[in-house]
Amino acid sequence: EVQLLESGGGLGQPGGSLRLSCAASGFTFSSYAMSWVRQAPGKGLEWVSGISNSGANTYYTDSVKGRFTISRDNSKNTVYLQMNSLRAEDTAIYYCAKTAQLDSWGQGTQVTVSS
Amino acid sequence: DVVMTQSPLSLPVTLGQPASISCRSSQSLVYSDGNTYLNWFQQRPGQSPRRLIYKVSNRDSGVPDRFSGSGSGTDFTLKISRVEAEDVGVYYCMQGTHWPRTFGGGTKVEIK
Repeated sequence: EVQLLESGGGLGQPGGSLRLSCAASGFTFSSYAMSWVRQAPGKGLEWVSGISNSGANTYYTDSVKGRFTISRDNSKNTVYLQMNSLRAEDTAIYYCAKTAQLDSWGQGTQVTVSS
Repeated sequence: DVVMTQSPLSLPVTLGQPASISCRSSQSLVYSDGNTYLNWFQQRPGQSPRRLIYKVSNRDSGVPDRFSGSGSGTDFTLKISRVEAEDVGVYYCMQGTHWPRTFGGGTKVEIK
């Protein structure tokens, strides 16, 4: 059974940083791309970032380019999202999802950006 | 970026009756490999989203056969043949052909 467990959320200061982690199990992690998707309070889903199975290729939505960095450690079955220069509008639940077609999702981790 | 437009925004449905959600993309979703990467997701209240349909019309494992997807190019539809109480939630389409991926705005299905 695929399991994705996000962690690292919490309260961040405007202009500050947070690092999210997503620990994967139940599948051959190194064979699959991974994605991050967020959902602001009361809003719809927004795709944030994706990474290829090897980590060689990364993709971002325009609003986070230059501020967020996706990476992965295939030896630890974990994908990360480094979030810098945080803004209030980054406040959301952040979900980790398997593959670029989002076939399985984690339970999400809450990120709140506020002073 | 590819814009995904869903309609309607809200869909009140009587139990046992059919429901239909439209999703249109601003560009063709046919990829160079010949596949069309259009996905549908369901988000029940208080839950994480889950994928229902991939590549336009393929149901994910465990998805009831009352859910079906159709369409081509830029015009797609999700149909529920007979709505059940557990189908209440928000449904999203998402294109998986172009970067960045983009979602439709969502359609809220509720029981009349």
